[in-house]
Amino acid sequence: DSGVTQTPKHLITATGQRVTLRCSPRSGDLSVYWYQQSLDQGLQFLIHYYNGEERAKGNILERFSAQQFPDLHSELNLSSLELGDSALYFCASSVENRGPQHFGDGTRLSIL
Amino acid sequence: AQKITQTQPGMFVQEKEAVTLDCTYDTSDQSYGLFWYKQPSSGEMIFLIYQGSYDEQNATEGRYSLNFQKARKSANLVISASQLGDSAMYFCAMREPAGAGSYQLTFGKGTKLSVIP
Repeated sequence: DSGVTQTPKHLITATGQRVTLRCSPRSGDLSVYWYQQSLDQGLQFLIHYYNGEERAKGNILERFSAQQFPDLHSELNLSSLELGDSALYFCASSVENRGPQHFGDGTRLSIL
Repeated sequence: AQKITQTQPGMFVQEKEAVTLDCTYDTSDQSYGLFWYKQPSSGEMIFLIYQGSYDEQNATEGRYSLNFQKARKSANLVISASQLGDSAMYFCAMREPAGAGSYQLTFGKGTKLSVIP
């Protein structure tokens, strides 16, 4: 158990819809990262938050947004969903930027 | 250009034998970090081992060790005494600057390890 909690584990929805994925980092970790894992693109970095502030963006689509709340949990919002958004979405946390990132179990998103 | 290259899409190893999973990386930074993660068929990503670019000793964690050859830019994972539970995908990753003091992990495509009884 990494200590990072992601909900829900599975999400099935339709094209055009909007979903919210939730992540609670390990106790004491201020950094939260979001990654997308798909068959064609592999594992890709989406966005990094540190103590409530956005720090870096990777290959994140404009239809996607994220935030980190004062209690340090984070949410990833995906809107106007397309078939190609079907993927496994991971949240990871770390105690400091340079150290290991510990991953949650992921949310598997299926777009029908 | 790929920054992390894992040349072995699939590997087989006999139970109780050792196995080496290859990883080469490309960076011009002097300070960087290399990580290995395990992803079982259930999907979670499990952190295994970390090597910093300035670490003089190769990292070890139980049955896992990292064979770090800086000049060759390789960071191979060695698993000793393989167990059936080691069957999984293994990803090599490198910590890269992402701007504003932030870092991201860049992953290779992975190696699928199958342990044979």
